[in-house]
Amino acid sequence: QKEVEQNSGPLSVPEGAIASLNCTYSDQGSQSFFWYRQYSGKSPELIMFIYSNGDKEDGRFTAQLNKASQYVSLLIRDSQPSDSATYLCAVTLGAQKLVFGQGTRLTINP
Amino acid sequence: DAMVIQNPRYQVTQFGKPVTLSCSQTLNHNVMYWYQQKSSQAPKLLFHYYDKDFNNEADTPDNFQSRRPNTSFCFLDIRSPGLGDAAMYLCATRRGNSPLHFGNGTRLTVT
Repeated sequence: QKEVEQNSGPLSVPEGAIASLNCTYSDQGSQSFFWYRQYSGKSPELIMFIYSNGDKEDGRFTAQLNKASQYVSLLIRDSQPSDSATYLCAVTLGAQKLVFGQGTRLTINP
Repeated sequence: DAMVIQNPRYQVTQFGKPVTLSCSQTLNHNVMYWYQQKSSQAPKLLFHYYDKDFNNEADTPDNFQSRRPNTSFCFLDIRSPGLGDAAMYLCATRRGNSPLHFGNGTRLTVT
């Protein structure tokens, strides 16, 4: 079992719709969870972070964490063509080891 | 502005010729990471430093070494680059449970 798993996609969503991205992780002791967006040839940029169970909202983005199910998700409301990118889920394992999932390629269709 | 700086942005080396990539930070973060990212793949953790403690991933080849002479600087040494080592190398830093701060990366080409 991979330490952090994502559906690699591609995921195609119409402009204005909600994009839903999912991630599962293997370490029950993980305490911090991150979503990064990466455009081709660029470094990852932070979208959201979440540490506690439940939902965390920031503008059009909502991160959801369920530690019992070892599941974290990212919702993007009112999707825009500029949201088209690869979305990386990252989870801290142990003290400081931070591991990425394989990423989900998202395309927003005008 | 506080930041993470990687040099060079682009590095070309010959097969088997040692190469060093550098990373510096002005954030005073105690943890520094090196990731390797190949085309259409996720960043793969090579190793990280927690303060002065070096943590090597089990599947990181011996060909890859790292040095952290002080809090601000970290180096990635590839002793004998192979064609399969061509990739983007990302340096990142953090403190505690905070999010990672990434540099712009170094794209390595091996000829």
